[in-house]
Amino acid sequence: GQQVMQIPQYQHVQEGEDFTTYCNSSTTLSNIQWYKQRPGGHPVFLIQLVKSGEVKKQKRLTFQFGEAKKNSSLHITATQTTDVGTYFCAGPVNSGGYQKVTFGTGTKLQVIP
Amino acid sequence: DTEVTQTPKHLVMGMTNKKSLKCEQHMGHRAMYWYKQKAKKPPELMFVYSYEKLSINESVPSRFSPECPNSSLLNLHLHALQPEDSALYLCASSQDWLVAETQYFGPGTRLLVL
Repeated sequence: GQQVMQIPQYQHVQEGEDFTTYCNSSTTLSNIQWYKQRPGGHPVFLIQLVKSGEVKKQKRLTFQFGEAKKNSSLHITATQTTDVGTYFCAGPVNSGGYQKVTFGTGTKLQVIP
Repeated sequence: DTEVTQTPKHLVMGMTNKKSLKCEQHMGHRAMYWYKQKAKKPPELMFVYSYEKLSINESVPSRFSPECPNSSLLNLHLHALQPEDSALYLCASSQDWLVAETQYFGPGTRLLVL
């Protein structure tokens, strides 16, 4: 079936280092969403990308949607301890005649002070 | 107001109990969702309600019974659950599920089935 995979599964970085997570879909996506889930918390929407090759920035976070609309990345510059959490991409995937938002496998980020 | 509320925050129940999870949103969203999330896993879609009607049931066992009393409320009735049903149950809402729009999640209910 259609899947949305993320790598790496886990990442430990020293505070101040950069971090990148990659999201790959087996099929073309009409859009890609990114969510952050803090430990013990719930997913919180970060951003949505719609256009091929789109790049959006939120302070230290840079989001990119691939030209083929099958992959996406989230890059954090100079990580801080507040960046700790699991980052999920999510995209609409065809399922039984309808599209449902399917979450990627997630990347858990740990920032070492 | 971009808040989705859920009650209770924590729930412990036996396999013979009947309990209900509640979710509420006042953003005027027409789509509401129930997700199940196991530890270290992504949320898995269970049900989607659109305009108060059940639109998607992801082959969820009948021991989970959703209900949408009105456009702001979503319930999940639980009966005869199994220990493997222990998980974080998340409610979410969006403007319209057909367009795969941004979803706003509630804080979830942490369920433990003994």
